[in-house]
Formats: sequence, structure tokens, C-alpha cells
Amino acid sequence: DAKTTQPNSMESNEEEPVHLPCNHSTISGTDYIHWYRQLPSQGPEYVIHGLTSNVNNRMASLAIAEDRKSSTLILHRATLRDAAVYYCILLDDKIIFGKGTRLHILP
Amino acid sequence: KAGVTQTPRYLIKTRGQQVTLSCSPISGHRSVSWYQQTPGQGLQFLFEYFSETQRNKGNFPGRFSGRQFSNSRSEMNVSTLELGDSALYLCASGFGGTWETQYFGPGTRLLVL
Repeated sequence: DAKTTQPNSMESNEEEPVHLPCNHSTISGTDYIHWYRQLPSQGPEYVIHGLTSNVNNRMASLAIAEDRKSSTLILHRATLRDAAVYYCILLDDKIIFGKGTRLHILP
Repeated sequence: KAGVTQTPRYLIKTRGQQVTLSCSPISGHRSVSWYQQTPGQGLQFLFEYFSETQRNKGNFPGRFSGRQFSNSRSEMNVSTLELGDSALYLCASGFGGTWETQYFGPGTRLLVL
């Protein structure tokens, strides 16, 4: 079973920031938090990952709660190309995908 | 650098047949994982190979098997196909570290009639 909980879907306007939440209350001290996304008709692609500290890369930012029981993926300025299913995953020895959040971007 | 490639991209089989899918990882990657994606079950982990050895296995019946060659290329075999095996089969490659990023291929879409 997936160890993370995400909303089924979210909507955002184009060029606005998007905050995608993820709860992982059973996280262990060594679990990394990974985010992948799957664009329509493509395989999943890596977005970002972190352990304890907030992380930034060219695609997104990852904010991790102090107790590590939740995290938020932040897309600073959503575009239509960001419409995808976003998966929050706790990575131990294998990736277990949950249902993810389907992000809709409104023009 | 070329990405993960999977062949064939589309496949139609009938019940009872067997099928072999192929995955070529990114150059330098030693780990290959396989996933099944269906609308009902989502993305499910099948197995992972590292240096020609199966390192992890998901909860799939023995009809699903795989192997990895010395050049890290991997094949997945499904015997005695069932209608429920219709799915998108994805492979992902990585350097092999436990928490390493995985890079996914475009998938092979299998339809079982």
C-alpha cells in the first residue's frame, strides 16, 4: 500500500503558483520524499526529492514539514505543460506509487 | 545522452499467449525496474534488477518474470496472458543506489484480446 496521501485532483490558473500537498505520517527517519509527475501519454518523470531540508531546483521547490509528516511541492508559476498527475513517494528500497494528484491548469 | 527505450511500443496478443518486452536503460545505469500501469490499479511495481540479479519483487504472480543482461538491458516476460494483463508496462533505469532517481521509458502498451 502507498504510504502517502494526496488529494485526487487540483486546479490552478496558468502563471499562478501551485501548492501540491502530501501527507506521510508514517515516514521513517531514512525515507526520502520523492516527487514524480506523469504527463499525458508519457512515463513518469522525476521532479524533486528531499530528506529534511527544503529543496529547490529548476522545476519546483519542495517544502518539508519540521516533523517530516507532510510535504508540499511548489510550482512557482504553472504553465499548461505542467498539467499532469503528480506522485509523492517515500523511497526506501523500491518506488511505491499511490494514486497521485491530477493537476488541471486553466488558461 | 539517449533516454530509456522500450520495444515494442504497442503490442496485441491473445489470451494464453506469452509476450516478451524489452528495455534498454540509459548508458551507465545498472538498475532496471518494471512497472505495470492500469486505470484501475495505477502504477504497480513488478520487479527490479541490478547487475543481472533480481533485487526487489512486487506482488505479481509467477507468470511475470524478468531478466537482466550483462549490458544492463532487461527483458520482461509474461506467460499465459490474461485479459487483465492489458496495461502500459513501464521500465525505469537508475544508477542503482537505494534512493537514486529513476528515469522512465515511454512504456509498452499491451492489449490482450
